[in-house]
This record gives sequence, C-alpha cells and structure tokens, in this order.
Amino acid sequence: DAKTTQPTSMDCAEGRAANLPCNHSTISGNEYVYWYRQIHSQGPQYIIHGLKNNETNEMASLIITEDRKSSTLILPHATLRDTAVYYCIVRVRGGKLIFGQGTELSVKP
Amino acid sequence: NAGVTQTPKFQVLKTGQSMTLQCAQDMNHNSMYWYRQDPGMGLRLIYYSASEGTTDKGEVPNGYNVSRLNKREFSLRLESAAPSQTSVYFCASSESLTGNYGYTFGSGTRLTVV
Repeated sequence: DAKTTQPTSMDCAEGRAANLPCNHSTISGNEYVYWYRQIHSQGPQYIIHGLKNNETNEMASLIITEDRKSSTLILPHATLRDTAVYYCIVRVRGGKLIFGQGTELSVKP
Repeated sequence: NAGVTQTPKFQVLKTGQSMTLQCAQDMNHNSMYWYRQDPGMGLRLIYYSASEGTTDKGEVPNGYNVSRLNKREFSLRLESAAPSQTSVYFCASSESLTGNYGYTFGSGTRLTVV
C-alpha cells in the first residue's frame, strides 16, 4: 500500500471549513483513499473513501486531485466535536487498513 | 445497535500472567481484526481473520495468539504478558477482506502490564 504524508497538527475556527490535506504520491491505480478519525482514545470512526472521483456524504467531502497524488478531506462547518486525529489511508482493494500518524485537528471557539 | 463489543474495557496484569481479550460483532461481518495503539502513535495490525476458520498475522503478531471462535467472535490471547504489551487494543470488523468496505471499530481495551 502506498504511504501517506499528513501534517502533524492543524487548527480550525468553529463554524469554518476544515481542510485536511494528504499526500500519496506513490498511489497506484487500484488503491483507494480512506479517511478515518479518532476522538480522544475511542475506536477509529470511518468518514469517507474514494478512488478518483470526488465524494460527499453527510459527514464530509473528499477531493482527489486528477493525478491522484493528493487529496483533501473537507469538514464544511467544523464544530468542537470534530476535534480529533484524522487518518488518511491508502488501501488496495482487499487490503488491510494500515494506519499512519494522522493529523491532530483542533477546532477552537 | 451494538456493532463491535470488546471486553474487558480495562485490565491490569502482572508480567507473565495470561489473559484473553474478547471481541464480538453483531453485523454479520466476515472479516475481523485486532489492532494495538501505543501512546501518540497510529494503530498497528496484530492479527486478522478474513473469514470464519482462518487467521493470519499482521504487522506485529509476536507475543499474541488469536482464535476465530465463530463468525461473531474473535479473541486475542496474551500467553505471558510483558510490559511492552501495555497498550490500547482495538477490535474491528468488515463485511469482507476482499471487498471495498470500511471497518467498524470497538471502543477498545486498555491494558497495563506491570
């Protein structure tokens, strides 16, 4: 599975959009981009995943660049409860989830 | 809607003691996984079970054994606990290993080995 690079930490003002970047320059054609988050020390929570098209669900949007070497997770209106560690994971279809260090997002009032 | 249930939530062991961490899912998922998370780090895969009756090693299997008791249950055993196994353990499940599915995680077991 391709490696991912994420900033260690980010801040976001409450009510504003949180844009979390992820680089995956060695991604191959059959690998998906997944996003999970972990609040405090709870179990990770699935957010969204995509292959090459942009995706949106009730939690977030995922924007994948045309060359697929990077992606951005967007939380459109961040709340204090969105404070968490966000993991970007590249996973081949049928492969296991391998976690990196993630981005610690702090949403501030 | 229970999802993935782990027991116990907390445990303190003495070095050399053994214990089994239990995990059960009620979503009829085929695949199950055990991860550990050390302070300030991401999760690392210990063992996984693609389907009932099969188990395979992950990234960090040494010191652990697993049993896929049935489709619902996947247990993790520490035969002789060591302080290096102090960690938070997460169980997860997914519809299958080969499909493009997300994982559902349990709330974790916090284990301290003294």
